[in-house]
Amino acid sequence: DAMVIQNPRYQVTQFGKPVTLSCSQTLNHNVMYWYQQKSSQAPKLLFHYYDKDFNNEADTPDNFQSRRPNTSFCFLDIRSPGLGDAAMYLCATSRPAGTSRYEQYFGPGTRLTVT
Amino acid sequence: GENVGLHLPTLSVQEGDNSIINCAYSNSASDYFIWYKQESGKGPQFIIDIRSNMDKRQGQRVTVLLNKTVKHLSLQIAATQPGDSAVYFCAENTDSTGTASKLTFGTGTRLQVTL
Repeated sequence: DAMVIQNPRYQVTQFGKPVTLSCSQTLNHNVMYWYQQKSSQAPKLLFHYYDKDFNNEADTPDNFQSRRPNTSFCFLDIRSPGLGDAAMYLCATSRPAGTSRYEQYFGPGTRLTVT
Repeated sequence: GENVGLHLPTLSVQEGDNSIINCAYSNSASDYFIWYKQESGKGPQFIIDIRSNMDKRQGQRVTVLLNKTVKHLSLQIAATQPGDSAVYFCAENTDSTGTASKLTFGTGTRLQVTL
């Protein structure tokens, strides 16, 4: 089945220690997104890629970076995690704007704990 | 049971009853809306969508109603089942000018189904 895969599902990192979360998709979608979701809150968009074009949200901290080496994979790098970065990180994909549907397909998420 | 607005984040419904979850969206220019279901520890799952040129759309056991005059969206679930217990988010597409959809999520409503 076509899907969005996130690894690992749970990640523990130390305060200030760089961490990378990964996402892969078999949907062949042009667009990939990273969201941060804190407990009992809505997902908050950090940035997205349209193919290799990177689009950062204005309020995303510089501590968060992303890489998309090819269509299938996208990575979220947190350069110096703070305690406030503990959250669920969701990856999503979609077709480009202008197609018939704007639905975003979400992965299962990676829960990040910062100690 | 009916949730009148986002100041009631939890909705309790008896199994077999109909559920109505409400959402007030913010952007009168939004042209596309989605309801997502998110179970504990999982990513959001698509339920149903609606374009702004429609006021009602039906799926299997679910109906979405859109009232653009008052910027209100609702999700109706018929014959609510224990498996419907989850947090439900509405999302609006707030940017149709770029190359990718940008969804803004509402606060969310937790649906609890009692036996």
